[in-house]
Formats: sequence, C-alpha cells, structure tokens
Amino acid sequence: DQQVKQNSPSLSVQEGRISILNCDYTNSMFDYFLWYKKYPAEGPTFLISISSIKDKNEDGRFTVFLNKSAKHLSLHIVPSQPGDSAVYFCAASGAGNQFYFGTGTSLTVIP
Amino acid sequence: KAGVTQTPRYLIKTRGQQVTLSCSPISGHRSVSWYQQTPGQGLQFLFEYFSETQRNKGNFPGRFSGRQFSNSRSEMNVSTLELGDSALYLCASSLAFPGGQETQYFGPGTRLLVL
Repeated sequence: DQQVKQNSPSLSVQEGRISILNCDYTNSMFDYFLWYKKYPAEGPTFLISISSIKDKNEDGRFTVFLNKSAKHLSLHIVPSQPGDSAVYFCAASGAGNQFYFGTGTSLTVIP
Repeated sequence: KAGVTQTPRYLIKTRGQQVTLSCSPISGHRSVSWYQQTPGQGLQFLFEYFSETQRNKGNFPGRFSGRQFSNSRSEMNVSTLELGDSALYLCASSLAFPGGQETQYFGPGTRLLVL
C-alpha cells in the first residue's frame, strides 16, 4: 500500500516560471517530510524538509508547503532553471527512522 | 566531509547467484538504510540498521538480508537472485540522534543486473 503518492509522473515548465510538484500521504502519524532530487545514475540529493509543526519552509528558490488537514505537501521552485530538470521524490516519516517515498515526478524545464 | 559511498557501482549476476553490496556512511552517522529502486516503483524500503541492529524492516522476502558493523559500515546480501531483483540499490545514512527528525543522505547506488 503506497502511503506516499506523487500522482503526476511528469511535469514540463518553461524556464523562469514556477514549478509546482505535489505529494499526498495517507498516514496521519507522519510528522517529517522531505524532498529529494535525483539525476540519472546518481543517488537522490536532499533538497528541503519540513516538520509537521510548520506549514511552510523556504530555502532559496525552493519552498515546501504542508497542508496537514489535506495530507498534502508541495514543492515550489521559483524561478525554474534548466538545471532543475530531474526526478523529484517526496518522502515522509513518523516515529522511528523509516521513510516512505513517492514514485517520483520527472521535471523538465524548457529553456 | 565525505559522502555516502557504495561499492560496487555496477554488477552483473545470473539467476540463482548471490550478491553482496557495501555501503560506507557519512562519518558520524549511525543509521544506515537500504532501498531498492525500480522503474515506476519509486524507492522501496528494505531495512534500516542502527548500532549493528536491524531496527526497521520493509516488506521484502528473506532472500534480502543485511548487517552493520561496529564502524557503521553496512552490507546487504541478496541470495538466490531472480530476474526481478534487477534494480538500483541505494544506501542512505543519517545521524539518528534520539528524538530527532532525521534527514537521510544517499549514496550513488549500486546498479544490479540479473541475467
């Protein structure tokens, strides 16, 4: 049973515009959420995280929003750059150190 | 500080064989987790080791096993390989301080091809 879902397998955005990647989860016990970026033939790279006590966290061009009532989080990238083209995974964890990952969204930023 | 390293990077095996993959975590990190990535399946959690003990386990058959050494380095073993075991195997490490919310840092992965 997939506890973390990324329903959009792919997304294309023009350079300079906003990219919005979405993630839904089912387990209300999750209290820590992360986004990772992955290039082919490399391991995922940590981007940004958010704790359930917050609803927003920013780091440069990346902002993560958390809507606990909807069990939904999103990653905003502004402005999008061609180098942002990669697969993005969201992940969630609760008590303990077990993480659940979504299936990923492939972002293409068009120059 | 050096990142997570995994060896080997690529491996080709035949059905029925066994394989051992190795992971060295970031210095000071005590938790090591293993994941399997296949196309369309995202990252599937295999198991997590902390202080040489398996602390969490995913839903994989007993052919998949692991261990962690006193220096936090970890190995993963897959016995009686099947074609479906072809995947990218990722190792991630984290500090795992008590009560903390963890960030896992990944290695580059080992690409296993089973023929």
